[in-house]
Amino acid sequence: KAGVTQTPRYLIKTRGQQVTLSCSPISGHRSVSWYQQTPGQGLQFLFEYFSETQRNKGNFPGRFSGRQFSNSRSEMNVSTLELGDSALYLCASSLGTRGTDTQYFGPGTRLTVL
Amino acid sequence: GEDVEQSLFLSVREGDSSVINCTYTDSSSTYLYWYKQEPGAGLQLLTYIFSNMDMKQDQRLTVLLNKKDKHLSLRIADTQTGDSAIYFCAESSDNQGGKLIFGQGTELSVKP
Repeated sequence: KAGVTQTPRYLIKTRGQQVTLSCSPISGHRSVSWYQQTPGQGLQFLFEYFSETQRNKGNFPGRFSGRQFSNSRSEMNVSTLELGDSALYLCASSLGTRGTDTQYFGPGTRLTVL
Repeated sequence: GEDVEQSLFLSVREGDSSVINCTYTDSSSTYLYWYKQEPGAGLQLLTYIFSNMDMKQDQRLTVLLNKKDKHLSLRIADTQTGDSAIYFCAESSDNQGGKLIFGQGTELSVKP
């Protein structure tokens, strides 16, 4: 079974721009969660989508948004980029039937904001 | 609130055992996980333990859970240079709906 895939792997943007990241879950998984990883804050939960609905949300500003499609693929969008948004963005997929279902991570998208 | 703490660094010699420790605060935690991250890569699931278990063994990996002290450990037997990485413990519970709470990560350095 193919693992979680994320595209693109690397992105360079400038302040004020917006960016869209994509995540394709493991076949059969219906939940996709997004995390931000930075050296200062570590791994922080952004949001989780299940069956095209946001089911849980972390403490991030409204500039961070996401969506999920009927095939369970998910995208996250960051608008009006700030320097502090530079991070590794990881998505994880799980079956999603329980909040404790094991999450499997993709390789991440490295976003650099200049 | 929920919090997970880990020591930041551990250095061992090849062939020795490594023990990485983690403490958590959420008493409703249902599952506790160990993930491994190599440079430039995502998180690789190593193992997990359900909160009603005390121990789980999987080849070179042994997980011990002390629920009373909210302490979790990962022991790697016969540590190899390929085990050098950052190890994260994480907790989840049914009332957190797909949200993992991570520790800061422990950087394991294995010297030949």
